[in-house]
Parts: sequence; structure tokens; C-alpha cells
Amino acid sequence: GESVGLHLPTLSVQEGDNSIINCAYSNSASDYFIWYKQESGKGPQFIIDIRSNMDKRQGQRVTVLLNKTVKHLSLQIAATQPGDSAVYFCAETAGDYKLSFGAGTTVTVRA
Amino acid sequence: NAGVTQTPKFQVLKTGQSMTLQCAQDMNHEYMSWYRQDPGMGLRLIHYSVGAGITDQGEVPNGYNVSRSTTEDFPLRLLSAAPSQTSVYFCASRSKLAVTSYEQYFGPGTRLTVT
Repeated sequence: GESVGLHLPTLSVQEGDNSIINCAYSNSASDYFIWYKQESGKGPQFIIDIRSNMDKRQGQRVTVLLNKTVKHLSLQIAATQPGDSAVYFCAETAGDYKLSFGAGTTVTVRA
Repeated sequence: NAGVTQTPKFQVLKTGQSMTLQCAQDMNHEYMSWYRQDPGMGLRLIHYSVGAGITDQGEVPNGYNVSRSTTEDFPLRLLSAAPSQTSVYFCASRSKLAVTSYEQYFGPGTRLTVT
């Protein structure tokens, strides 16, 4: 079946650098794409989402880019901080409330 | 405002036992759902509800039952636990009024081990 997946399982980044986390999806009917952050022992926390009729959306220190041509989604974190160390998941939905999650990328911030 | 709460935090069951995982939210959200998370994997949807009295199956519903008698509560029942149900279970809720955002709130999770 169709699924959402992340390109890399791990990402190591120097504190202060920008991070880019990638995600590929295959369901062309998806309407929303969402990024979650999950810290160890906690539930996922909403970061930002983007609707399929948009290419870019910005939040506080984060930017999500959507390329529907190649079915690619990315999350950019500016000036990565130690508190950004976590597992990041992308998820997609066709608007029927059924969210499909990717496997996740573990981000480790080096001091 | 406690958000989404789940009990218990940890549970160990023997194969064949039954139990109910509790989930409650105090945000008056219409939408609630249950996910399971296995090591190295993303979350998979078990069951969801769009309002009191309405439930539907997700991606992996076998072995689980749900009901939604109130807006606040959405319990997940394991009828006869199996080792394959060892996982971390998350409950989530979302307001149907959030039309410009898909923000969904997750509980802290229940770590279940079936021996």
C-alpha cells in the first residue's frame, strides 16, 4: 500500500547549524502533511503542518517545504539547539482523519 | 487543562489476559484515536472516533476494541492479549474546528508488555 517514509533514519548536526529532515510520500491524494517531534519517553508533539495547495510554510525556527512533483516533504530547523534532539516523524492524511506515519529520523545535536 | 491523559503508564500482561487502556481528554475534542508504536517504526492507527457513539477501524484493528460513550473518554480494550501486542500505545485527540491546521494532541503513552 501507499506509505510515508523518511530518507534517513539518523541525522547528526552541530549545534547552531541548520538541520534538514527529508520525507518521501507516495499517496497523491494526501491533503495534509504534518511534522511531529518525539522526545524520549514522551508522546509525539505537533511541530508544523502544510496543506497540499501550499509549497512552503514557516513557523518559529522551522520551515516545511512541499514538492508535489516529486512527492517530497522536508523540515528545516534553523540554528539547531540541544533541545531539538529527538525523533522526527512526518505524517500524511487524505483528509479522512487516518494519519499515516513514516518511520522517523533521529536527530542528534552535537555540542 | 490536563490535555490528553492515559492510564496506566506501564502494564505487563500474560498471554490471554484482557485489559483496558484508558484515555481521556479535557479539551472537548471531537476526534480521538489510538496508535501503537513499535521499535524503529512510526505510529500505526488502530481505531479512531469522530464523535461520541462513532468509531471506525484504522490500519491495525485486529485484537482491539473501542467504544466512545462520551466526548471525553476513548478506552481501548485488548480482549485476549498476545505477545505481538507488546508495544507503546498512544491516544490522541483533535478538534474538528481546527480547519486550518491538523494539530493533534498526544497523550504520554502506555507501555504494554505481553509475556
